[in-house]
Amino acid sequence: QQQVKQSPQSLIVQKGGIPIINCAYENTAFDYFPWYQQFPGKGPALLIAIRPDVSEKKEGRFTISFNKSAKQFSLHIMDSQPGDSATYFCAANQAGTALIFGKGTTLSVSS
Amino acid sequence: DAGVIQSPRHEVTEMGQEVTLRCKPISGHNSLFWYRQTMMRGLELLIYFNNNVPIDDSGMPEDRFSAKMPNASFSTLKIQPSEPRDSAVYFCASSFAGTVNTEAFFGQGTRLTVV
Repeated sequence: QQQVKQSPQSLIVQKGGIPIINCAYENTAFDYFPWYQQFPGKGPALLIAIRPDVSEKKEGRFTISFNKSAKQFSLHIMDSQPGDSATYFCAANQAGTALIFGKGTTLSVSS
Repeated sequence: DAGVIQSPRHEVTEMGQEVTLRCKPISGHNSLFWYRQTMMRGLELLIYFNNNVPIDDSGMPEDRFSAKMPNASFSTLKIQPSEPRDSAVYFCASSFAGTVNTEAFFGQGTRLTVV
């Protein structure tokens, strides 16, 4: 079965720290790798996404690093803030198929 | 657009009862997904539709689960009979699927509790 493996399960950092969440995938046909952010009581919302033709994408304080040969990608949050406390999901798919999600990482940023 | 609309937001039912969850996707989107979220298993894909046609229902756990999409603006997920282990948050999402992937938008979810 196609899987996306995500780690760590939970993460606690201090304000200003740089949490890093990692994901690994198996299916080399995947060509879209988004990260979703979910706050309690809400549905997941797209945070940032990357396609395999680039190795890094940055949007504000959020950066995706992508390693195609290793079949891994990661999310870095620069200068983390208490408002970034949420659950983060990596996902992957190929055109015409549904997103397959990792199991999520609960991030807590302490002030 | 109001986004993906799910109803009800919360549902509490007794074991053995039929439960129907509803979803209205974003207008213009041609793909619709049903996911189930639990602490143990995370976000699991149950079924997805493209142009109202079920494409992959391999994630539907048992015959007790069924989903329909009678038109482009409405879908239902039905559980009959419901069991306590079905308790979870059920999300509907929609996207526009073409030759490249685009963002999937999620609804607020339906929190189902089966007692």
